[in-house]
Amino acid sequence: DAGVTQSPTHLIKTRGQQVTLRCSPKSGHDTVSWYQQALGQGPQFIFQYYEEEERQRGNFPDRFSGHQFPNYSSELNVNALLLGDSALYLCASSWGTGYEKLFFGSGTQLSVL
Amino acid sequence: TQLLEQSPQFLSIQEGENLTVYCNSSSVFSSLQWYRQEPGEGPVLLVTVVTGGEVKKLKRLTFQFGDARKDSSLHITAAQPGDTGLYLCAGRSGSARQLTFGSGTQLTVLP
Repeated sequence: DAGVTQSPTHLIKTRGQQVTLRCSPKSGHDTVSWYQQALGQGPQFIFQYYEEEERQRGNFPDRFSGHQFPNYSSELNVNALLLGDSALYLCASSWGTGYEKLFFGSGTQLSVL
Repeated sequence: TQLLEQSPQFLSIQEGENLTVYCNSSSVFSSLQWYRQEPGEGPVLLVTVVTGGEVKKLKRLTFQFGDARKDSSLHITAAQPGDTGLYLCAGRSGSARQLTFGSGTQLTVLP
């Protein structure tokens, strides 16, 4: 049973560029959440997708956008990259609501030069 | 904005020692989770506590949720090198779908 898979594992971009990160949830899960983890910090919530719609959003600018596909996989897009966007981007999947047990992927390490 | 403060930020101990890490907030959480994260990996859920005063044990790890549901602690007995990692607490308030994470405690257990 495959867990949460993310691609790519590492990515280097320059300021102003755009990036797309991908996530496949754990089998049986229908909800995907994205988190940004800066070096030495805990993860910060970006947004959550369920039934192909954004259900909740954290305190991130509109440069951060996402999408969920019918097969529950998800993409995170970041436009006009800034140096401060350099971080580990984590995808977490879960099923349903309530006391959700999140399963995290290994993340995509994004470096913006 | 709900904040979770973890202490200490860094902890280095010898194998066999006991330790406690803390997670504190001025906000009330409906549930609180503890995760462990190793380099190059995502956080892995250790436990979820939902009731004030609740105590859960996972082998040598003991987790406690404060009576007022604003704080939590993680106690490790007889630490082993395999316990090394970043320990994160994360809280959820009411019907919020997002988790608020603390900044973590980096634990190193030396053989």
